[in-house]
Amino acid sequence: AQSVTQLGSHVSVSEGALVLLRCNYSSSVPPYLFWYVQYPNQGLQLLLKYTSAATLVKGINGFEAEFKKSETSFHLTKPSAHMSDAAEYFCAVSDSGGSNYKLTFGKGTLLTVNP
Amino acid sequence: GAGVSQSPSNKVTEKGKDVELRCDPISGHTALYWYRQSLGQGLEFLIYFQGNSAPDKSGLPSDRFSAERTGGSVSTLTIQRTQQEDSAVYLCASSLRQGVSMSEKLFFGSGTQLSVL
Repeated sequence: AQSVTQLGSHVSVSEGALVLLRCNYSSSVPPYLFWYVQYPNQGLQLLLKYTSAATLVKGINGFEAEFKKSETSFHLTKPSAHMSDAAEYFCAVSDSGGSNYKLTFGKGTLLTVNP
Repeated sequence: GAGVSQSPSNKVTEKGKDVELRCDPISGHTALYWYRQSLGQGLEFLIYFQGNSAPDKSGLPSDRFSAERTGGSVSTLTIQRTQQEDSAVYLCASSLRQGVSMSEKLFFGSGTQLSVL
């Protein structure tokens, strides 16, 4: 069975500071990995995804994530936080096999950006 | 519409009542998903529809939960004899098709906040 662990339910950074949101996964087969973002009062939006191509994945709004198989991690980073980045971020994993439509989500990390 | 539409946006009901939650996916999307988001929890997969194939109901938490998709478009999630632990945000998502490479992304609705008193 696949699972996702997001370390830290709440991360607070200052505007302009580095954003680092941690995600570790467990999967018995090569995974597909995703980050979704949920802004207040909006539906989830795909931020970026890893599907076995390049291990460093660039997404929207300056975010990127690196797939590290040896560490079973897919941490999300952004060099400089903006106030508009305040949202809840969800890491998700999917099998690359037959059940690849079923995403397993982490519990989410709420990002607060302080002026 | 341009996105996935869910109704109602909020639903307050009494314990023991039945509720129906509606999802209008993006036109042309053949895959439709229901997820549940409880406070402090991640998104919990409930059910998946793909075209005319039999749905994957493996995530439904009990037989009080059911869902159908009519005409390959609109879906209704029904919860019978609601319990307080059913209180959550119910999210619907759709995608163009379920590709082996997962090249399609999920488009989520804004959800229905269900409160069972």
